[in-house]
Amino acid sequence: KAGVTQTPRYLIKTRGQQVTLSCSPISGHRSVSWYQQTPGQGLQFLFEYFSETQRNKGNFPGRFSGRQFSNSRSEMNVSTLELGDSALYLCASSFYGDRGETYEQYFGPGTRLTVT
Amino acid sequence: QQPVQSPQAVILREGEDAVINCSSSKALYSVHWYRQKHGEAPVFLMILLKGGEQKGHDKISASFNEKKQQSSLYLTASQLSYSGTYFCGTESFNNAGNMLTFGGGTRLMVKP
Repeated sequence: KAGVTQTPRYLIKTRGQQVTLSCSPISGHRSVSWYQQTPGQGLQFLFEYFSETQRNKGNFPGRFSGRQFSNSRSEMNVSTLELGDSALYLCASSFYGDRGETYEQYFGPGTRLTVT
Repeated sequence: QQPVQSPQAVILREGEDAVINCSSSKALYSVHWYRQKHGEAPVFLMILLKGGEQKGHDKISASFNEKKQQSSLYLTASQLSYSGTYFCGTESFNNAGNMLTFGGGTRLMVKP
């Protein structure tokens, strides 16, 4: 089974620009979560999508947004980039059942975003 | 509020044991453990659920004290391959769906 894939792997943007990152989950996984990882703040939850609906959102400004498509692929968008947005953005997919059971998350390799 | 992990870092010799702790101020539904090697994505190790169920590796053990909202990961007879940063991720009852709040990580280095 193919793992979680993320594109692009590396990205360099300028302050004020916007960026879109893509995530393809493991086949059959309907839950996709996004995390921001920085040396200072660790792994921070951005949001989670299930069946095209955002179910949970972390404590990030509205510049961070996402969506999920009918094939479970997900994108996240960051508008008006700031220097502090430089980070590794990780996507994780999970087989989340409708009965509220908890399952392990499988992480993609991440997109390294550098804002200059 | 993110869970607190301790210690922040530990250095071991091959064959030694280590315990990594994760403590939360919230009532927890589950605790997840992941290991991340430098430059790689976090890899799932174990899930501990309220009620005692566990899912994960055979060679790694963990405990979950629901009353204290604490979990511990036990690494026995450590190998060089155990090196990496260990994260606990907690799932609370008041979240709809799959939302993990991760601790700050414990950096483990195993030396020959």
